[in-house]
Amino acid sequence: AQSVTQLGSHVSVSEGALVLLRCNYSSSVPPYLFWYVQYPNQGLQLLLKYTSAATLVKGINGFEAEFKKSETSFHLTKPSAHMSDAAEYFCAVSKPTGNQFYFGTGTSLTVIP
Amino acid sequence: DTAVSQTPKYLVTQMGNDKSIKCEQNLGHDTMYWYKQDSKKFLKIMFSYNNKELIINETVPNRFSPKSPDKAHLNLHINSLELGDSAVYFCASSQGATTFNFGSGTRLTVV
Repeated sequence: AQSVTQLGSHVSVSEGALVLLRCNYSSSVPPYLFWYVQYPNQGLQLLLKYTSAATLVKGINGFEAEFKKSETSFHLTKPSAHMSDAAEYFCAVSKPTGNQFYFGTGTSLTVIP
Repeated sequence: DTAVSQTPKYLVTQMGNDKSIKCEQNLGHDTMYWYKQDSKKFLKIMFSYNNKELIINETVPNRFSPKSPDKAHLNLHINSLELGDSAVYFCASSQGATTFNFGSGTRLTVV
């Protein structure tokens, strides 16, 4: 079965500090992995996705994530947090054969001025 | 031209009523989904259909009944609404394992 675990339901960082949001997956086969962002009262926006090409994936708004098979991780990072990054972030996994797509429990990011 | 569109965007209704949420995708995707996002922001998959066939049916009360008249549509009908059904419901579609599109959500409030 596919699943993702997001460590830390709430993360606070100072403006300008590094953002690190953690995601670990469990899968019997290498999965495809995604990060989504949800701003307050809005829908889901794709930040980036890993689909077995390059292990370091760059996304929108300066975010990137690295697929590490040895650690079964796909952590999301951004070098310098902006106030506008405050949102809910979801890691997600899909089965390579398709038709299944599961979200982690989400991490709420707060950016302190 | 919206790829995955849900209607209505907001729905306020009384306990015990029956309501439907409609979803349509114009991407030609084979698979469609319904997700429920509760007040704690958890996004839980409810159903998945592939070419009108039910693929995933998670532990959801049988008051929830999905209907897929064709592969571009997946509607969600809810009978006897309860307070706990209040949530945001997201429709999605996918093609293969790497392309997913989400609707903007339907905020259901049961009073």
